[in-house]
This record gives sequence, structure tokens and C-alpha cells, in this order.
Amino acid sequence: GQQLNQSPQSMFIQEGEDVSMNCTSSSIFNTWLWYKQDPGEGPVLLIALYKAGELTSNGRLTAQFGITRKDSFLNISASIPSDVGIYFCAGHESGYALNFGKGTSLLVTP
Amino acid sequence: DGGITQSPKYLFRKEGQNVTLSCEQNLNHDAMYWYRQDPGQGLRLIYYSQIVNDFQKGDIAEGYSVSREKKESFPLTVTSAQKNPTAFYLCASSRTGSQPQHFGDGTRLSIL
Repeated sequence: GQQLNQSPQSMFIQEGEDVSMNCTSSSIFNTWLWYKQDPGEGPVLLIALYKAGELTSNGRLTAQFGITRKDSFLNISASIPSDVGIYFCAGHESGYALNFGKGTSLLVTP
Repeated sequence: DGGITQSPKYLFRKEGQNVTLSCEQNLNHDAMYWYRQDPGQGLRLIYYSQIVNDFQKGDIAEGYSVSREKKESFPLTVTSAQKNPTAFYLCASSRTGSQPQHFGDGTRLSIL
């Protein structure tokens, strides 16, 4: 499957700051998903997007499905220490397989 | 609670040995998946199954085998043909193939 381009690779921020990360693909996607993974655990689904232009929030998290259907971004507002982890984007190009980005590692300092 | 259970949490393999990783779900999901995760990498698909008694190879199926005899269960066998098996293995399931996938907590496999 296609590997998505996710950036940045890592982020070091202070508690209270806002965070933004994005994901791009070379082909059109039907679905964009954002997951968070804590060390030694499986990814947990944060937000699912199904339509181009869709903007969805989940608490302090907001994600958008790009209008070109080739990109998506995730914003985290007012970061807190428990936001630490690796954030993955994923998408359905067609069929059943999910394509994943390599992840954005987020570190929040008090 | 509904969810996906992977066992064991840690597994060690000797040279030339086959090992089987367990994945059970009680979410009544039709589709199940196995991924491999290496440090600093995204998830790579090993095998997936859309329905009982049917499964398809993913991007890195060589050296692995699966079965889907029951809807709830999708075990993965890492065979001796897999020369670099050390990784974190994740099982996932979804209601149908095009729905978001939900993951278990993974099995970490190491070589003795």
C-alpha cells in the first residue's frame, strides 16, 4: 500500500500550546483517520473523516478532510501532558486496506 | 467490555521455531487485520480477512500465515521462514472492510 507523507516527524512543545500536524498522499482517499498510540499499546482512533471538506472535532482535537481528498490535518488546542504520544494518520484509498503515515511523535513539557 | 484481545503481550522465538499470536474480538466485526510495526515506522499490513474462511495477503505476507475459522478469532503464525521477525504485532478489526479499524494492545515478538 501507499505510504502517506506525515509531518512533522516530531514536535516538542510547552504545555498550553496549540499543535498542528498534517498528512498528504499522491492519490485520492475516500476516508481519513487519525489515531494516537501510547508506548507499548495499540493505536486508538481519535477522529474519522468521510467527506471532502469535512471538519470534525473531538474535545480539544480538530481534524479536516482536505477538499482535494489528498490531505488531512489534525490540530490539538491547549496541549496537556497526557497528549504525549505518537499520532498516526491513515486513509482508505480503495478497498479494505488502510494506508498509514509514519507518525508524529509529540512531547509536551510542563 | 467489548474489544480486541491480543495474547501474549510478550513472546520469544528460538531460531527455526514457529510461533502463533492470538487475536480475539467480541465486537461482532466481520473484518480483521494483522499489522507489523517497526521502530519509527508506520504500520504495514501482513494479512487481512473480510469474512470467515477467507483471507488475503497484505504488503508483507512472506513468512507469515493466518487462519479465520471463527468470526471472533484471527491467529497469526510467524514461521521460521520469516528471517527478521522482531517487531510489534498489532491486530485490528472493523465492522466491514471500509469502516474504521480498532486495534488490540499488541504483541511484542523477540528472538532468543
